[in-house]
Amino acid sequence: KAGVTQTPRYLIKTRGQQVTLSCSPISGHRSVSWYQQTPGQGLQFLFEYFSETQRNKGNFPGRFSGRQFSNSRSEMNVSTLELGDSALYLCASSLAYRTYNSPLHFGNGTRLTVT
Amino acid sequence: KNEVEQSPQNLTAQEGEFITINCSYSVGISALHWLQQHPGGGIVSLFMLSSGKKKHGRLIATINIQEKHSSLHITASHPRDSAVYICAGLQGAQKLVFGQGTRLTINP
Repeated sequence: KAGVTQTPRYLIKTRGQQVTLSCSPISGHRSVSWYQQTPGQGLQFLFEYFSETQRNKGNFPGRFSGRQFSNSRSEMNVSTLELGDSALYLCASSLAYRTYNSPLHFGNGTRLTVT
Repeated sequence: KNEVEQSPQNLTAQEGEFITINCSYSVGISALHWLQQHPGGGIVSLFMLSSGKKKHGRLIATINIQEKHSSLHITASHPRDSAVYICAGLQGAQKLVFGQGTRLTINP
């Protein structure tokens, strides 16, 4: 069974541009969540989707948005990029929503560098 | 104050030693994840627990709900255990609040 696939693996963008990252969950998984990891702030929760609906959102500005498609694939978009958006962006999928017995499976992440 | 606090931040030990990493969390967190992150970024979920104790191979995770404290133990540590270990508290269904991580180095 294929794991969680994130594309692209690496991305270099310029301040002011926008970027779209993609996450394909494990087949059959319907919940996808997104995280940002930086050396200064560590890992932070961005948002979570289940059945094409955003269920939870972290404390990030509106420049960060996402969506989930009917096949559970998810994308996140960052508009008007800032230098501080340089980070490793991770997504994770799980089989179900609102259950403590559904572990998270993480992708390898997309490393975004903003210059 | 962070909602999830880990200690120590860095830990270096010799192969074979018993390792303990601690995690304290605040109210509103219903379960704890223990994650392992190797260089390169990939994260593996080790345990998810809301009570008691779980064991997988040489890894043991415990949680004390009353004290809001969890520990991750590694028995007979090995250099391949070298990684960053992160505890994450579950708020709501999937919203995770992360500790700062413990960088573990096991020397041969």
